[in-house]
Amino acid sequence: EVHLVESGGGLVKPGGSLRLSCAASRFTFTRYGMNWVRQAPGKGLEWVSYISGSSTFIYYADSVKGRFTISRDNAKNSLYLQMNSLRAEDTAVYYCARASPDLEGAFDVWGQGTLVTVSS
Amino acid sequence: SYELTQPPSVSVSPGQTARITCSGAALPKQYTFWYQQKPGRAPVVLMFKDTERPSGVPERFSASSSGTTVTLTISGVQAEDEADYYCQSGDSSGTYRFGGGTKLTVL
Repeated sequence: EVHLVESGGGLVKPGGSLRLSCAASRFTFTRYGMNWVRQAPGKGLEWVSYISGSSTFIYYADSVKGRFTISRDNAKNSLYLQMNSLRAEDTAVYYCARASPDLEGAFDVWGQGTLVTVSS
Repeated sequence: SYELTQPPSVSVSPGQTARITCSGAALPKQYTFWYQQKPGRAPVVLMFKDTERPSGVPERFSASSSGTTVTLTISGVQAEDEADYYCQSGDSSGTYRFGGGTKLTVL
């Protein structure tokens, strides 16, 4: 079964940094663009960032541009999100999600999420 | 940037039809996707390319598009359909956006 597993969440102080990882298994990782999506407690989904299969195309939401960096290591089937200058409003469950070319870019596989809490 | 607007809540009785709308100026130009999210779970894709249903999604889920509004229709609503529903679309700059979400309550 296709699988995505996030890790790296935790409690961090405002202004601090955190690096999230997403391990992919049982699919050809390089074929898929990957995304980070977050959900603040009790709130809706917010798309954060996208990276294409070969890392050629990278996009960010305005809310994280300049502070977050998405990357991937195709040799390790892994996706990353480096988060710097963290703010209280970055507190959320962070999901990695696969964008399927077979579904015209729909996010067809999601991880279970990892919680990031930004608080002093 | 652009916004996608959904009603915060929709309520229906079992067996009835639920309709959830998503409005946005960019929708005629970009594909719309729909997701279902149950409490404590990751979202699941319900619809892609405006009106197409992935394999495994029940036929009672359908979608339609008219101008700047897309509508997710759930026919013969079942108790298990109680969840949050999100529309999603992209824009020409490569970014994505989700609607604010609609909580479907099955009475």
